[in-house]
Amino acid sequence: EAQVTQNPRYLITVTGKKLTVTCSQNMNHEYMSWYRQDPGLGLRQIYYSMNVEVTDKGDVPEGYKVSRKEKRNFPLILESPSPNQTSLYFCASSLFMNTEAFFGQGTRLTVV
Amino acid sequence: QKEVEQDPGPLSVPEGAIVSLNCTYSNSAFQYFMWYRQYSRKGPELLMYTYSSGNKEDGRFTAQVDKSSKYISLFIRDSQPSDSATYLCAMSDNDMRFGAGTRLTVKP
Repeated sequence: EAQVTQNPRYLITVTGKKLTVTCSQNMNHEYMSWYRQDPGLGLRQIYYSMNVEVTDKGDVPEGYKVSRKEKRNFPLILESPSPNQTSLYFCASSLFMNTEAFFGQGTRLTVV
Repeated sequence: QKEVEQDPGPLSVPEGAIVSLNCTYSNSAFQYFMWYRQYSRKGPELLMYTYSSGNKEDGRFTAQVDKSSKYISLFIRDSQPSDSATYLCAMSDNDMRFGAGTRLTVKP
């Protein structure tokens, strides 16, 4: 089954404690991205990757890092989380930038 | 002004009603227009995909794009309780932009 898998689904952490949210896709897609979804603001892109070892900033990249060492994996790293990063996070993949995006189930992150 | 504007609702309609969801945008470079449906506690799923202007129909769903007015619409005919979800418009050229989403409830 074609899917994008994110882990964990829910995470509560404390300010400053580094964390990683994993994302994996099994569709051999070139393009992967991370979004955060906040009430009234919709989906905002954090980082994207057009291929292995090629990543770039989206609209709200501050406080986040990513890596794309393999085509299927695109982890999101918060080196020093802060409460304003409390949000619902989605990983997405697509064949190319403008084609259908397949989203993961989401990760609900709370930073206290 | 946001690049993509979408009324967040909420919108509540009786079963069987025709639903109209709309987005406006400011970037005339957008060429690809999409509607995603997001159920509670799930990721968005693509519902309709349109390139440039025109209409596209798929079952009970019709997507319309009017590039001259920078306006896109999604119509749902004979709405069902299972259509209750948040609907997100999205559009792109080199960058993908999403609307804030409209929350729809279809009451039996």
